[in-house]
Amino acid sequence: DIQMTQSPASLSASLGETVTIECRASEDIYNGLAWYQQKPGKSPQLLIYNANSLHTGVPSRFSGSGSGTQYSLKINSLQSEDVASYFCQQYYDYPDTFGAGTKLELK
Amino acid sequence: QVQLQQSGAELVKPGSSVKMSCKASGYTFTSYYIYWIKQRPGQGLEWIGRIGPGSGDTNYNEKFKGKATFTVDKSSSTAYMQLSSLTPEDTAVYYCARYDGIALDYWGQGVMVTVSS
Repeated sequence: DIQMTQSPASLSASLGETVTIECRASEDIYNGLAWYQQKPGKSPQLLIYNANSLHTGVPSRFSGSGSGTQYSLKINSLQSEDVASYFCQQYYDYPDTFGAGTKLELK
Repeated sequence: QVQLQQSGAELVKPGSSVKMSCKASGYTFTSYYIYWIKQRPGQGLEWIGRIGPGSGDTNYNEKFKGKATFTVDKSSSTAYMQLSSLTPEDTAVYYCARYDGIALDYWGQGVMVTVSS
């Protein structure tokens, strides 16, 4: 199985800051990567697919980048509603695997 | 609007089975795969497998073969997952999600399964 190593595990940032979350795959996943946001007590929601494509309705302050084994999610101008956990998912190869998650809190 | 409505929380005894449902609405049920995802309390996400409601085709994570069984009822646009021989390690929230051909674009609200004697 492809291992997804996500960092950091937790992150504290101030309103208006830019934050970056990273995922490293154990092998090349050819941009087969999605990012999800999960607010406390809620189900995950798709933010980014194909590493850098914004899902419908997702604010443009979210962006994804990367290639090969290294990918990142950037949130510009952090808002209070962005407090959540974030997960990456590789779907290049079965079984799909997820990163362990990053918990984003406000400083 | 697309919705996936899952069944309610379950409290079950070790060694028993549980069957949960995921009722789809707002789209053509047979046109999209349904994925099942496990999330243990405070933990990450784990892919259990998927089913194609139109074809009945299934793919299981090797880890969950023999544990999970997927079925669908096309007449009611409902997907089901049965978990057998439950142990405390099966205590988790189980999500169904729609696969749009690339990623998981809609998720159910989750079913909390607690395995306890």
